Amino acid sequence: DAGITQSPRHKVTETGTPVTLRCHQTENHRYMYWYRQDPGHGLRLIHYSYGVKDTDKGEVSDGYSVSRSKTEDFLLTLESATSSQTSVYFCAISGGPRGYTFGSGTRLTVV
Amino acid sequence: AQKITQTQPGMFVQEKEAVTLDCTYDTSDPSYGLFWYKQPSSGEMIFLIYQGSYDQQNATEGRYSLNFQKARKSANLVISASQLGDSAMYFCAMREGLEGYQKVTFGIGTKLQVIP
Repeated sequence: DAGITQSPRHKVTETGTPVTLRCHQTENHRYMYWYRQDPGHGLRLIHYSYGVKDTDKGEVSDGYSVSRSKTEDFLLTLESATSSQTSVYFCAISGGPRGYTFGSGTRLTVV
Repeated sequence: AQKITQTQPGMFVQEKEAVTLDCTYDTSDPSYGLFWYKQPSSGEMIFLIYQGSYDQQNATEGRYSLNFQKARKSANLVISASQLGDSAMYFCAMREGLEGYQKVTFGIGTKLQVIP
């Protein structure tokens, strides 16, 4: 069930460059989320959106910005990538009472 | 304080045996939900099981069951008859609230390895 897709799946970028990750959903869910996954930390919320142009910060939002111009798309931007932002990034949509549906993840390496 | 605590970084289990993965949680919200997700080496996050705070019975989904002990604030995952394909990371998570934005907090995970 490919109701949510992320792109790219893998990316290597240089320190100081901007990077944008895309999340696209076909489920018309109001809420969308960006998480990062790091060993020893589980998944931590970066930003979330509760509607078009409505976003808010999560617990690890420093260095990240988001935008949502359409219901189906939620973009995560690293304005100036740093090595500490090397991580696996997951987008998720609310799956109702059964929790989230996750995208396949984006593995980002900042060198 | 940690919202979700998983104290077992790694676990081993013999194939066909049962295994329990521990999870404790902390919340003052009377309405919450507890989840377990599986992450195999391929990286995707797979929903396994859900337990609502008002559910009277423990949740079950095939070989997965959730041992919900509300007074102890624990939500352990029990996998019966382990299979090699169960080798993966397992994350416990909690959703607080019922309406609007629902904050979901994840534990740090437990790596399960099934031994043939």
